Amino acid sequence: KNQVEQSPQSLIILEGKNCTLQCNYTVSPFSNLRWYKQDTGRGPVSLTIMTFSENTKSNGRYTATLDADTKQSSLHITASQLSDSASYICVVTSRNQGGKLIFGQGTELSVKP
Amino acid sequence: EPEVTQTPSHQVTQMGQEVILRCVPISNHLYFYWYRQILGQKVEFLVSFYNNEISEKSEIFDDQFSVERPDGSNFTLKIRSTKLEDSAMYFCASSLSVGVSYSPLHFGNGTRLTVT
Repeated sequence: KNQVEQSPQSLIILEGKNCTLQCNYTVSPFSNLRWYKQDTGRGPVSLTIMTFSENTKSNGRYTATLDADTKQSSLHITASQLSDSASYICVVTSRNQGGKLIFGQGTELSVKP
Repeated sequence: EPEVTQTPSHQVTQMGQEVILRCVPISNHLYFYWYRQILGQKVEFLVSFYNNEISEKSEIFDDQFSVERPDGSNFTLKIRSTKLEDSAMYFCASSLSVGVSYSPLHFGNGTRLTVT
């Protein structure tokens, strides 16, 4: 069964610190992996998209990595800000199902001053 | 920056009633989607729509659900006879393409549907 699992479930860090969120998936055949940020009460917003041939992709203070062999991805947030407090969701697409995104549960990040 | 807009932001309805959730996708996008998120659970795919027809749907999207693009701008989700378990946040999304270019899905801020 195609699944996306994330860890940790929640994380609290101090403003200015870095953090790394993890994602494991069993989706096959793999097409691409996305990280989304979802603020409370809002829709998800795309941060990065990576295909199987891409190992890393950055978007400002966000850096995503992908290991397609081990089916793992991480999202690294550098110099966290209070506005980074949100749910970060790992999303995977199967090659056979172009528009169907498979969502992880998300990691709830809280950045404290 | 163009965005996907959804109305209403919150809808309360009684069990058995029909509801229509409305969405205005980004104007030059070609692919449209509905997702839902039950409180505390993962976002789940419902349906994708392209070229005026459903391209893919999930097991959740049964005969009670239908989608329509009645004109050049709106994209609607209809639930014919709502059940308590339909209570969720419903997200509309659109994308420029679904192919190898992997354009991101742009999500609206959702309609919170509460069935009583």
